[in-house]
Amino acid sequence: DGGITQSPKYLFRKEGQNVTLSCEQNLNHDAMYWYRQDPGQGLRLIYYSQIVNDFQKGDIAEGYSVSREKKESFPLTVTSAQKNPTAFYLCASSIDTPGRETQYFGPGTRLLVL
Amino acid sequence: RKEVEQDPGPFNVPEGATVAFNCTYSNSASQSFFWYRQDCRKEPKLLMSVYSSGNEDGRFTAQLNRASQYISLLIRDSKLSDSATYLCVVLLTAGNTPLVFGKGTRLSVIA
Repeated sequence: DGGITQSPKYLFRKEGQNVTLSCEQNLNHDAMYWYRQDPGQGLRLIYYSQIVNDFQKGDIAEGYSVSREKKESFPLTVTSAQKNPTAFYLCASSIDTPGRETQYFGPGTRLLVL
Repeated sequence: RKEVEQDPGPFNVPEGATVAFNCTYSNSASQSFFWYRQDCRKEPKLLMSVYSSGNEDGRFTAQLNRASQYISLLIRDSKLSDSATYLCVVLLTAGNTPLVFGKGTRLSVIA
């Protein structure tokens, strides 16, 4: 099946620990995105990548890092510098076809701090 | 002014009712508009794109008013399964650029 997968579904982080969230897509989409959603809030953009080996900061990039070494993969690392990492993290992808810029989302990862 | 604003609700409506949500956006140069649906603790899923001429998909109708900078979603004959949060989403620049999300409007359809 084609789609976007995220793992793990739940992730627990200890104080001072870096954790990496996985996002993989087999849709042959060029662009990938990471969003964070807090309870009762909208989605906020962390990082996005329009092409392999290139990415841009979003609105709340501090405390996060990403890489885009392969078209299919866009992992997100939550570093110890992110002081309030508990949230629902959503990865999305899109294809650059005019009039079809729809983004498709993975099932998300819930990150909890112990 | 927030880029995309929605009434958070909740809207509690009986089965079979018609319900409408509005959303305003601040950037007049916005390119594309969408409604996404998000179920509790799930990812957002595209419900429908919103075109200038308005568009309909079954019980759902979306309208765009560029002059007043708002979009709307009308749901007719509400079903229990329509209960969800509806996100108004705007694409500021054409191409593979990030979407801007409203905080969502929560709908509960009651039997």
